[in-house]
Order: sequence, then C-alpha cells, then structure tokens
Amino acid sequence: QTVVTQEPSLTVSPGGTVTLTCASSTGAVTSAYYPNWFQQKPGQAPRALIYSTSSKHSWTPARFSGSLLGGKAALTLSGVQPEDEAEYYCLLYYGGANWVFGGGTKLTVL
Amino acid sequence: EVHLLESGGGLVQPGGSLRLSCAASGFTFNSYAMNWVRQAPGKGLEWVSAISGSGVSTYLADSVKGRFTISRDNSKNTLYMQMNSLRAEDTAVYFCAKGLAWPTGFDYWGRGTLVTVSS
Repeated sequence: QTVVTQEPSLTVSPGGTVTLTCASSTGAVTSAYYPNWFQQKPGQAPRALIYSTSSKHSWTPARFSGSLLGGKAALTLSGVQPEDEAEYYCLLYYGGANWVFGGGTKLTVL
Repeated sequence: EVHLLESGGGLVQPGGSLRLSCAASGFTFNSYAMNWVRQAPGKGLEWVSAISGSGVSTYLADSVKGRFTISRDNSKNTLYMQMNSLRAEDTAVYFCAKGLAWPTGFDYWGRGTLVTVSS
C-alpha cells in the first residue's frame, strides 16, 4: 500500500519562511506524480494552492510556491501571515486515477 | 463562478445505502473529470473516486471498490456517488472536487456532505 508522508506539524513565526515536504513510499517524487497542495482550515473545505508541482491557481497568494526538493515535493511559504495557520495536504498521482493524499501538516503561526 | 454543491448525506445503518449528488455550475461540466474525496472525523483527506468528463471511465479506491459506484449526468451538470454496503469506517464528510486537465490535479471543491454510518 502506497503511503505519502508529510511532517505532522510545523511552527513558524509571522513573516518567516517555512517549507513543508511530501514523500512517497515508492521512492523519489518527480513531476510525473503531478504534486498538488491544498490548504484546509477548521470546518472548511480544502482550498487548492498548487498543481503540477509548481503551478499556481489564480487565487493562490504569491507567497506560496511549489517545487521538488531532495526527492520530495515541497511547499514553501515566504513571509508567513497569521491567516496561513491551517492544515496542509499534498496529493500525488500514481497512474490509472490512483491518487493518494499525504497525512497532512498542521502549520502553526506563532 | 464555479460552484459545487453536495447533497444526500445523512445517517444510515451499517449495510445500508445512500446516494450522494454534487450539482455543478459555472463551467463546462462535460469537459472535466470529477472526483469524490472524503474526510473521516478528525482525520485527513482520502481520495475515493474519479470519473472522466464523458463518464466512460471510472475509478475507485480499493477501500470502496465493489461497494461504491460513481456516475454523472452531463445533461443535469450533476455528479453522483451510489454507496452500498456501508460500513462504520465510511463515516466521513464527502467532498466533490473538479479536476483540472487530466491528471494535473484538482481545483474547485464543494463544501461537503456528512455521511454517518451507525446503528
């Protein structure tokens, strides 16, 4: 069974920079996994931030960026705002419409 | 403006059935794959099912294969999920999510509908 692993929790200071990562149990994550990133706040639906590794949606704030880093997908937040406190999920594509979400990273802005 | 609205959730006994709907608007519905994603209480997201824009191709996660069926009515701009033989572990909020150009990802999400499987 394929497992996608994220940091369970991270803490960042307002104005700081933080990188969240997303690893696959099958090996290095590449662009062929079309990494997506989503933000979810309590009681709300997920909101899409990044698709295809680094592409932003029209509503994605400029401070969010996606990349591949050391065999993992990565989401970097630069100039973190208090409203960025949320759960973040990555999503990887394994072919044949087999999508797997990571377990999520709870980001605290403190 | 894209809008997705799920409905059909509720309380059902183990072994029972339920049909979820997702009404879509604001985009050319038959041009995009659609997905169901669920979230158990206090847990993370789990991809459940996908269907191509035409409805010809369907995909299910192993956890629901043989019990759930995804379908769509492009004349009504509506996505469905028929859920049979429900189990306690199917208890979750079910979201519908619009696909981007295959298989680049998802963009818009509905607010979700809660399914509770309990006796």
